[in-house]
Amino acid sequence: ILNVEQSPQSLHVQEGDSTNFTCSFPSSNFYALHWYRWETAKSPEALFVMTLNGDEKKKGQISATLNTKEGYSYLYIKGSQPEDSATYLCAFTTNFGNEKLTFGTGTRLTIIP
Amino acid sequence: EAQVTQNPRYLITVTGKKLTVTCSQNMNHEYMSWYRQDPGLGLRQIYYSMNVEVTDKGDVPEGYKVSRKEKRNFPLILESPSPNQTSLYFCASSDQGQVHNEQFFGPGTRLTVL
Repeated sequence: ILNVEQSPQSLHVQEGDSTNFTCSFPSSNFYALHWYRWETAKSPEALFVMTLNGDEKKKGQISATLNTKEGYSYLYIKGSQPEDSATYLCAFTTNFGNEKLTFGTGTRLTIIP
Repeated sequence: EAQVTQNPRYLITVTGKKLTVTCSQNMNHEYMSWYRQDPGLGLRQIYYSMNVEVTDKGDVPEGYKVSRKEKRNFPLILESPSPNQTSLYFCASSDQGQVHNEQFFGPGTRLTVL
């Protein structure tokens, strides 16, 4: 089983502050890196899927970067709002030819009003 | 509305009593997958299917079966449930038969096996 690690496990941020967290994955045989946002009592929703080294994607105040050579991705949230409170999951796929998706355990973000 | 549906949403059952959790998507997606979520372990893939009649094991397939007779449906079968299968289960689908595309998740099924 491939290891995807996310840090920190949990995070409390004051409303209006910016924050970021990390997803680390095996750099060999990389194919794609996914980020999902998972609110309590709901289903995970896709934020980004990135495949290219140096890729940077943005959706509103949330952005992500990808470094496939060193095996990490950062998720940034600028000007956090209470509705950003959620667990943020990253997931990784390889180019082994199978179609498995391996998830990290997530970063649980709480925005303090 | 494009969606993935799962039934039932909640189920309490007893050890050994066969059950099926249904999953259906209306987006004409080729790829479908089942995950279980347990505290501290994150989402773990149980089985996946790249197209009709094509299924393969994920990371935790023991104790589960699946079938993909039609493109829209991907039921998860527990032939003889055990308490260690108590979990939150998610079905997901994605386009073009590839896991590399974003996954659309169903609402989840919370299963308790006594």
